[in-house]
Amino acid sequence: DIQMTQSPLSLSASVGDRVTITCRASQSIRRNLNWYQQKPGKAPRLLIYAASALEGGVPSRFSGSGSGTDFTLTISSLHPEDFATYYCQQSYSNFPYTFGQGTKLEIK
Amino acid sequence: QVQLQQWGAGLLKPSETLSLTCAVYGGSFSGYYWSWIRQPPGKGLEWIGEVDHRGTANYNPSLKSRVTMSVDTSKNQFSLKQSSVTAAETAVYYCARGYRTGCSSTTCYAWFDSWGQGTLVTVSA
Repeated sequence: DIQMTQSPLSLSASVGDRVTITCRASQSIRRNLNWYQQKPGKAPRLLIYAASALEGGVPSRFSGSGSGTDFTLTISSLHPEDFATYYCQQSYSNFPYTFGQGTKLEIK
Repeated sequence: QVQLQQWGAGLLKPSETLSLTCAVYGGSFSGYYWSWIRQPPGKGLEWIGEVDHRGTANYNPSLKSRVTMSVDTSKNQFSLKQSSVTAAETAVYYCARGYRTGCSSTTCYAWFDSWGQGTLVTVSA
């Protein structure tokens, strides 16, 4: 299985801050990388697919980049509703699809 | 706007069979890959498997021997059965719609763009 490693696992930031979360794959996954946001008690929500494509309805302050093994999710200016847990997920190796451990973004 | 609504038994004893169903409303049932994903309390996400509208299924190798997924196209529903559950499989189970594009001979771009509300399945003696 392809292992996905996120860093940091937790992050404290303030409203208005620029935040970057990193996801590293155990082998090259080209650009087959997606990002999700999950709030407590809710299902994950797709933010970014194919490394950098913004899902419809997702604010433009979210952006994704990277290819190969190293990827980043950037929030350009944190809003109060952005405090959540973020997961990366690879689809290069179809079975199984695998997720990162999650990064919990908390209010400082 | 597609909506996924799921249901099933929430409390099982060890060795019993987990059974969940997910109904798809407001969207096409064909052309997508219908997945089950689970999340133990306070932990990350694990993909269990997927099934398409023809009933062709793919499973996580770690669970393959105990998992069966099926579809009922007359109702736009798909189901998960997982046998011989253990306490370690206590989790919120989600159904999700998978979309694939840009496929080569070895891989596709694929992501989960709609999710059910989740069902907490507790396994306890």
